[in-house]
Amino acid sequence: SQQGEEDPQALSIQEGENATMNCSYKTSINNLQWYRQNSGRGLVHLILIRSNEREKHSGRLRVTLDTSKKSSSLLITASRAADTASYFCATAINAGGTSYGKLTFGQGTILTVHP
Amino acid sequence: DGGITQSPKYLFRKEGQNVTLSCEQNLNHDAMYWYRQDPGQGLRLIYYSQIVNDFQKGDIAEGYSVSREKKESFPLTVTSAQKNPTAFYLCASSISGLTEAFFGQGTRLTVV
Repeated sequence: SQQGEEDPQALSIQEGENATMNCSYKTSINNLQWYRQNSGRGLVHLILIRSNEREKHSGRLRVTLDTSKKSSSLLITASRAADTASYFCATAINAGGTSYGKLTFGQGTILTVHP
Repeated sequence: DGGITQSPKYLFRKEGQNVTLSCEQNLNHDAMYWYRQDPGQGLRLIYYSQIVNDFQKGDIAEGYSVSREKKESFPLTVTSAQKNPTAFYLCASSISGLTEAFFGQGTRLTVV
């Protein structure tokens, strides 16, 4: 079973609008990460937020984390056509030793930004 | 150039044959992962390894096997026991299992 569930499955917006994607997960985590995937390619890491953090920014990206609700959101502001891609959340869970972890992914959100 | 390399990019095999997918990294990362991606299903974890000579099953390990004899290499064998092996396979590595992961470009396996 997937640790993360993402919502919506697909999102279509116009250039300049903001895009918000949500992720919910089931178990306690060490951190939560967001990745981007262009069609048929590998994933690229965007941002990591630790379990003791509530919000993080990186350029046009803003990530929030609510551990009480086991949920996270990714906001892309002022979107561009080049932002068109699939976006995935991933949860890092401690597994064994202090630095050992297991990284599992959600289903992803397909974002389409129209010029 | 530092990075993670998967080969080949495309792979065709006959049903019933075992096939091995290569994953090599020169990032000096301890942790390595294999994921399977099917349309509309996101990434599912097959196997992961935290250190050399150690690996653990992920969520869908049946029909797959791995080895981790060297830090930089984590090959995945898709065996004939895997009922539906046609998929996009992604390998990743990270400094530890709790840090950002770097992905290869994937291997698209088609079984005919």
